[in-house]
Amino acid sequence: EVQLLESGGGLVQPGGSLRLSCAASGFTFSGYAMTWVRRAPGKGLEWVSGISLSGASPYYADSVKGRLTISRDNSKNTLYLQMNSLRAEDTAEYYCAKGTGSYVYGPFDSWGQGTLVTVSS
Amino acid sequence: DIQMTQSPSTLSASVGDRVTITCRASQNISTWLAWYQQKPGKAPNLLIYKASYLESGVPSRFSGSGSGTEFTLTISSLQPDDFATYYCQQYDTYSTFGHGTKVDIK
Repeated sequence: EVQLLESGGGLVQPGGSLRLSCAASGFTFSGYAMTWVRRAPGKGLEWVSGISLSGASPYYADSVKGRLTISRDNSKNTLYLQMNSLRAEDTAEYYCAKGTGSYVYGPFDSWGQGTLVTVSS
Repeated sequence: DIQMTQSPSTLSASVGDRVTITCRASQNISTWLAWYQQKPGKAPNLLIYKASYLESGVPSRFSGSGSGTEFTLTISSLQPDDFATYYCQQYDTYSTFGHGTKVDIK
């Protein structure tokens, strides 16, 4: 059974940093593109970032480019999202999601339960 | 950027009803469209991919259709477990989700 378990969320001040992790199990992690999707309070889903199978090619939404960095460690079956220069509009539930193949933009057939990031002073 | 417009934003229905949700893309996305169901406090769940392909394990009362710029998700007979929010997603060029359609009890 595929399992994705996010961690690392919390309350951070504007301008601060957080590192999210997503521990994967139940599938060959290195065989699939991985992505982060967020849902802000009262809003819909937003694709944030995706990464290729090897980790060599990261992709970002314009809204986070230059501030968020996605990475993966295939030896540890773990996906990461380093979040710097955080803004109030980054407040959201962040989901780790598994692609169905090598394409980072979708569709996503397994999702974690999410980790909440709150950016507030 | 490709914009995805879902309608309606809220839909009130009864158990047994046939429900249809529409998603329109701002430009041609062929059939690169997925549908997801999300319940409060839960992760999204993939229902349909490539516009009309049913994801494994998803009940057959769910179906998808369309191509180009107009797509529909249909629930043939609404069940109690189906009250949730539904999102479309285009993955033709980058990725964009619709704003969601909440299906609630009439």
